[in-house]
This record gives sequence, structure tokens and C-alpha cells, in this order.
Amino acid sequence: QVQLQQSGAELVKPGSSVKISCKASGYTFTSYDMHWIKQQPGNGLEWIGWIYPGNGNTKYNQKFNGKATLTADKSSSTAYMQLSSLTSEDSAVYFCARSHYSPYFDYWGQGVMVTVSS
Amino acid sequence: DIQMTQSPASLSASLGETVTIECLASEDIYSNLAWYQQKPGKSPQLLIYYANSLNDGVPSRFSGSGSGTQYSLKINSLQSEDVSIYFCQQNYDSPFTFGSGTKLEIK
Repeated sequence: QVQLQQSGAELVKPGSSVKISCKASGYTFTSYDMHWIKQQPGNGLEWIGWIYPGNGNTKYNQKFNGKATLTADKSSSTAYMQLSSLTSEDSAVYFCARSHYSPYFDYWGQGVMVTVSS
Repeated sequence: DIQMTQSPASLSASLGETVTIECLASEDIYSNLAWYQQKPGKSPQLLIYYANSLNDGVPSRFSGSGSGTQYSLKINSLQSEDVSIYFCQQNYDSPFTFGSGTKLEIK
């Protein structure tokens, strides 16, 4: 069965960076897009960007240009998102989610809570 | 960016009732509209895609409709397990944007 297993919660300091992971199983990792979505407490959902692991192509929401960097490791079927220059506005739950052909998300990871605090 | 205006923000209904949630896009999204259900502390789950296609395993009491800029999600015969937040999402144009959510409670 399809599973997206994300890494654990992170507590990080302002100005630092964090890299979170999303390990895929149960399907051909290189044939599906992987998206990243942000959810702040009490707020809605924001699409950050996507990567196609088959060739490493990426597309970002302009709002997250320079903030988020998406990569993928085909050998381990794992997608990564690095967030840089962290501020309190980056405190949120971050989800990875899969899509195929059309960007609606049929499987989601369990989410990673990132807390930015000194 | 395409704005998705979702209403109502919250909704309270009785078991067995039918409820409808609306989503209005700021421009035509040509039925590229998905609906998700998110239970407390969980990740969102896909209910509907292409405005009216039911995702595998989703109960048939859920249905989607609409075209152009106006879309709706209907839940027939409300069950206790339907208590959740519901989001719409346009996947017509990047950045893919979500509605602000509808919190559904049981009276």
C-alpha cells in the first residue's frame, strides 16, 4: 500500500535551516510528483511547490522562492524539503503529498511540525 | 493567484441531515477542483477530484458538483464520523490554492 512516512518534529532556532524528509513506499517513486504543503495552526493550507523525482524538475510557489528547496533521492525513494533563514512565520506543520498527471493529492504524509523558537 | 472563497466557515447539522459546502474561484478553473477532509490531528484525505469524481473508498454519500467558478460538496445522511474540516483546492493553475476550510460539527 502507498505510504509517505515523514521525519519527526523539529525545534529550531531563528535564522537556522531545517531539512525534513518524506520516504515513499508502495509505488514507483519516480513516476509521481511529490508536493509540499504548509499548514499553520488554525490556518488553511498553502502549496509550497513540487518535485518530479524522475528527473528532479521542480516548480515553486513564488512566495516560497528562496525559502524552500526541494530535492529527491531516487535510490532511497525519499523526498526532502529544506527551509532556510527560519523565522516564527515558518512555524507550521509541513506535509508531503503525491500527485499523478494532475495536481490533486491522493496520498499525504502524516505531517512534520516545525517550531522556530530561541 | 487564483483565490478560493469557501463558505460557510463553520456548519452545525444533525445526524442524517444533508449539508452543502460551497467554493467560489476567482476565475474559471474548468472543473479542476478537489475536496479534502481533515480530521483533528490528521493529514487531509482526498474525497473528490475533477469536481465530481469520487476517490476510491470514499462513501457514496459524498458528492461534488459545479463548473466554471462555482463548486459544491454535498454530504448526504450525515454521520458522526463526518465531523472534520473540509477544504477545496484548485489544481488548474500554479500556485495551487486552497479554500480556507469549513468546520463541520454535529448538533
